[in-house]
Amino acid sequence: QKEVEQNSGPLSVPEGAIASLNCTYSDRGSQSFFWYRQYSGKSPELIMSIYSNGDKEDGRFTAQLNKASQYVSLLIRDSQPSDSATYLCAAYNFNKFYFGSGTKLNVKP
Amino acid sequence: SQTIHQWPATLVQPVGSPLSLECTVEGTSNPNLYWYRQAAGRGLQLLFYSVGIGQISSEVPQNLSASRPQDRQFILSSKKLLLSDSGFYLCAWTADNNQPQHFGDGTRLSIL
Repeated sequence: QKEVEQNSGPLSVPEGAIASLNCTYSDRGSQSFFWYRQYSGKSPELIMSIYSNGDKEDGRFTAQLNKASQYVSLLIRDSQPSDSATYLCAAYNFNKFYFGSGTKLNVKP
Repeated sequence: SQTIHQWPATLVQPVGSPLSLECTVEGTSNPNLYWYRQAAGRGLQLLFYSVGIGQISSEVPQNLSASRPQDRQFILSSKKLLLSDSGFYLCAWTADNNQPQHFGDGTRLSIL
C-alpha cells in the first residue's frame, strides 16, 4: 500500500510567523512531490512541485525533499490569514498520485 | 493556456438514479485524466485514471464507471447511485509523466 501521511492538525500560527507542514511517504519509488492548497469547499490548487533532494523556494513558500528519509515539507514564511486552508501533500509514481489527508492550517490575525 | 471544465457544480440525486459527470480539458493534447472523490474532511480517493482515448484504469471496485470518448473528455457514470456515493468529485489532468495535476472546480454530489 503506497501511503502519504500528514498530521491532520489544525496547526495554528500567528500572522507573520513561519508555518511548517510535514509529510512522509512509504513508496521509495515515488518520483515527484507536490503541495496543494485547498480552501473549504473548493478544489485543490497547486502551490509547489519538487523533484530532487533539497530546497525549492517560490516567494513565501519553500518545499524541502529528503528522499533518504522519505520526507517532504512545506514552509510558509510571513503567514497571512489568507493562507488558512488545508494543505495536501502528494507523491507521484507511474501515472498515479497518492495524496495525504491534508493538514489544516489556521493563521490567526 | 490550459483550462479544465467540470460540470455541474452541484447535483442532488435520489438513490437509485443514474449519474453522468463530464470533464473537458482545453489547450493541451493527450493529457492524463483522473477522477477523484473526496468525502467531507477527508483526503482524495482516486477512482479512475486514463492515459489515452478508451484507456481506463479503475482503482476502487464500486458502482461507478468512467469513459474517455475523446482525447480531452472524461466522463464519470453510474447506473444506480447509492447513498455512499455522496461526496465532492474532482476531475484532474496532467500534461505528462511527473508533471503536477491540475484540478477542475469539482462537483458536489448529494444523494437523497
